[in-house]
Amino acid sequence: DGGITQSPKYLFRKEGQNVTLSCEQNLNHDAMYWYRQDPGQGLRLIYYSQIVNDFQKGDIAEGYSVSREKKESFPLTVTSAQKNPTAFYLCASTEARQENTGELFFGEGSRLTVL
Amino acid sequence: GQSLEQPSEVTAVEGAIVQINCTYQTSGFYGLSWYQQHDGGAPTFLSYNALDGLEETGRFSSFLSRSDSYGYLLLQELQMKDSASYFCAVRGDDSNYQLIWGAGTKLIIKP
Repeated sequence: DGGITQSPKYLFRKEGQNVTLSCEQNLNHDAMYWYRQDPGQGLRLIYYSQIVNDFQKGDIAEGYSVSREKKESFPLTVTSAQKNPTAFYLCASTEARQENTGELFFGEGSRLTVL
Repeated sequence: GQSLEQPSEVTAVEGAIVQINCTYQTSGFYGLSWYQQHDGGAPTFLSYNALDGLEETGRFSSFLSRSDSYGYLLLQELQMKDSASYFCAVRGDDSNYQLIWGAGTKLIIKP
């Protein structure tokens, strides 16, 4: 079945460690996004990519990094520079056409907890 | 700044009708979307309005008034499975396809 797969679903990190969250899609979508969700808040955009080997910062990119070496994959690294990384991270994708309707397809999310 | 306002929580009874409002202040506007998210799950797309008026999809309808910078999601014949958070989101810029999200409305349905 087509969809977006995020892993791991749950992740625990010690302070000072970098962690990488995986996002893979087999929908043949061009655009991919990473969002952060905190309790009682809307989604905040971290990074997005509209084409392979290109990506742009969102509203809260500090302390995060991404790569887009393949169309199917858009991994997110949460670095030790991110001061408050405990959150629910969501990856999404869309076709160029569907971007115009705002229809994003989301993965099941990765919940990161810093110990 | 750019913002979307929606109630934090709405309570309704099973079988009833509920309306979730969303007002927005954005520098540009290309459409209003609605998403549903169950606890701990992924948001799923419900509807999109680019033009004024009502869009109906089964038990769910969405309305937009661009002159009032206002929209709503209408849920009819409420079922317990509709208990979830509902987010409105605006695409405000034609150049970068970013969505601006509301904080979400938690819908509580009582039997």
